[in-house]
Amino acid sequence: AQSVTQPDIHITVSEGASLELRCNYSYGATPYLFWYVQSPGQGLQLLLKYFSGDTLVQGIKGFEAEFKRSQSSFNLRKPSVHWSDAAEYFCAVDDYKLSFGAGTTVTVRA
Amino acid sequence: EAGVAQSPRYKIIEKRQSVAFWCNPISGHATLYWYQQILGQGPKLLIQFQNNGVVDDSQLPKDRFSAERLKGVDSTLKIQPAKLEDSAVYLCASSLDRQGEGGYTFGSGTRLTVV
Repeated sequence: AQSVTQPDIHITVSEGASLELRCNYSYGATPYLFWYVQSPGQGLQLLLKYFSGDTLVQGIKGFEAEFKRSQSSFNLRKPSVHWSDAAEYFCAVDDYKLSFGAGTTVTVRA
Repeated sequence: EAGVAQSPRYKIIEKRQSVAFWCNPISGHATLYWYQQILGQGPKLLIQFQNNGVVDDSQLPKDRFSAERLKGVDSTLKIQPAKLEDSAVYLCASSLDRQGEGGYTFGSGTRLTVV
């Protein structure tokens, strides 16, 4: 069955430290891949997307993600987090319908 | 460009009552989606329209949920009768085409509380 897995439910990181959020997918082919962020009470905001080509994708707010076909992964990274990065992060795959992972909550401590 | 409009923003109803949500997608977007996001979970696709036809409603609880997109533009999602477990945020999204290479745009959602 097709699925999107975000193994980490909650991550706490210090301000200024690096952040990596994991995402694995199970699909027959390479789907389109997305990362969204959702702040409390807010809608979903697109951080970045991968369709094809360069496997390292740059997004907004200093985020980047790397697609690894061999590992069926699309991990999100940020070199230095800011307190405003505290939010819920969702990985999503588009195989003619957009399916989301369960999300990872990021807490940033001062 | 204007975003995806949803109304109402909040709704509180008693169980067994009915409720309807409205969505107006971005002009020209052929594909419209309704998602249910229960607290602490990722959004789950309920129904996908391509113009005014249903593409996927496999996860829509059809005994109580219904949706329509009569003129291929705005859409209404209805729940009748509501259950406690329907408490969630209902998100509407739209895209230019069926596989969202052009990107998906989400509305702010309707937060439903069933008491």
